[in-house]
Amino acid sequence: KNEVEQSPQNLTAQEGEFITINCSYSVGISALHWLQQHPGGGIVSLFMLSSGKKKHGRLIATINIQEKHSSLHITASHPRDSAVYICAARIQGAQKLVFGQGTRLTINP
Amino acid sequence: DAGITQSPRHKVTETGTPVTLRCHQTENHRYMYWYRQDPGHGLRLIHYSYGVKDTDKGEVSDGYSVSRSKTEDFLLTLESATSSQTSVYFCATNDRNKSYNEQFFGPGTRLTVL
Repeated sequence: KNEVEQSPQNLTAQEGEFITINCSYSVGISALHWLQQHPGGGIVSLFMLSSGKKKHGRLIATINIQEKHSSLHITASHPRDSAVYICAARIQGAQKLVFGQGTRLTINP
Repeated sequence: DAGITQSPRHKVTETGTPVTLRCHQTENHRYMYWYRQDPGHGLRLIHYSYGVKDTDKGEVSDGYSVSRSKTEDFLLTLESATSSQTSVYFCATNDRNKSYNEQFFGPGTRLTVL
């Protein structure tokens, strides 16, 4: 079993829909990262959080430390949000990241 | 953007040849990483560095070596490339004392071993 599990693996939705991507982890962490990778490959950091909630534009990330679970939400989704979203856990006491396998999101117009 | 560049961006090589990939950063970040990304596996850590001349193995280090002689450069070497090393390779950096310890990624190198 992977230390970081994401769901769903693939998600297709219509423009305007509210999107939720989930991430569960089984290790002690110091922070949880959400990353975005567009077709063509570049990886961009969206959020890094260790508690509570963060918001940036239409994106919201939450984390529940007790339940070892994080979610990434996208409000009013748009075709330009189509990308692979990756959850990564920074292991407690280390600088290394452990990655989920990613969620491929497709938003249709 | 932490000013991370990778070279080359694309490479095609033959089985058995040595290959070196270079990662260069301009942010003076302490930590540097090499990952490979393959379908069905996500990103996996090959090697990482926590300072000049300080490196350690990741989860998929067999067949790879690294060197870091300067803060800004982290080299990944495939001593004798195999077809199983065909992949996209990403370099990343971070520094717990800078940029809230966010991790920054290079643009990637697509390596094909024939």
